[in-house]
Amino acid sequence: GAVVSQHPSWVICKSGTSVKIECRSLDFQATTMFWYRQFPKQSLMLMATSNEGSKATYEQGVEKDKFLINHASLTLSTLTVTSAHPEDSSFYICSARDERTSGYSYEQYFGPGTRLTVT
Amino acid sequence: SQKIEQNSEALNIQEGKTATLTCNYTNYSPAYLQWYRQDPGRGPVFLLLIRENEKEKRKERLKVTFDTTLKQSLFHITASQPADSATYLCAPLGTGFQKLVFGTGTRLLVSP
Repeated sequence: GAVVSQHPSWVICKSGTSVKIECRSLDFQATTMFWYRQFPKQSLMLMATSNEGSKATYEQGVEKDKFLINHASLTLSTLTVTSAHPEDSSFYICSARDERTSGYSYEQYFGPGTRLTVT
Repeated sequence: SQKIEQNSEALNIQEGKTATLTCNYTNYSPAYLQWYRQDPGRGPVFLLLIRENEKEKRKERLKVTFDTTLKQSLFHITASQPADSATYLCAPLGTGFQKLVFGTGTRLLVSP
């Protein structure tokens, strides 16, 4: 199946700094990618839909100026957490759909996640 | 508002038994319903999709049912194994390519 990678797999940063997380579709192109956040023992919460070549669509309650998304190419989306604070510490996961093959199943492929800890 | 509910408490069963997980949704009229598996510290992995006009779908030891009247999907794992221990997530979706919104997830623990 299709593979989605994320980098870094974990990162520790100081409060007030910015952190960039990359999401790549390795063997397929994705016009749309999704970013999720997951707190311990909770389900995934959709943050935003990343659209190649256009602005991201953010879910209600997600600050677009804090979580900057850039989908610069058909295989790369980045999420930048700006001015990070301890409450931003979470597990961030991206996903993408291989529109060539998932057709009927609408299967989405998820990255392995990035653990962000803000001290 | 739209809601997707799964058993929040962990389901503990013994190896070899059938595990049954429930997904209830409100204020949705999904055309499909997907099930995913998530292991700790990993991203979810797609398992099955069932369409609204399919009452049942099977894949190896997995079986999914979809009752649009009850607004419920049941996910069964037969002959469960300790390796099946994970969190299982359901995600209803409409027609066309849409964003996935997940249920709360149910953690399954299969003991030897």
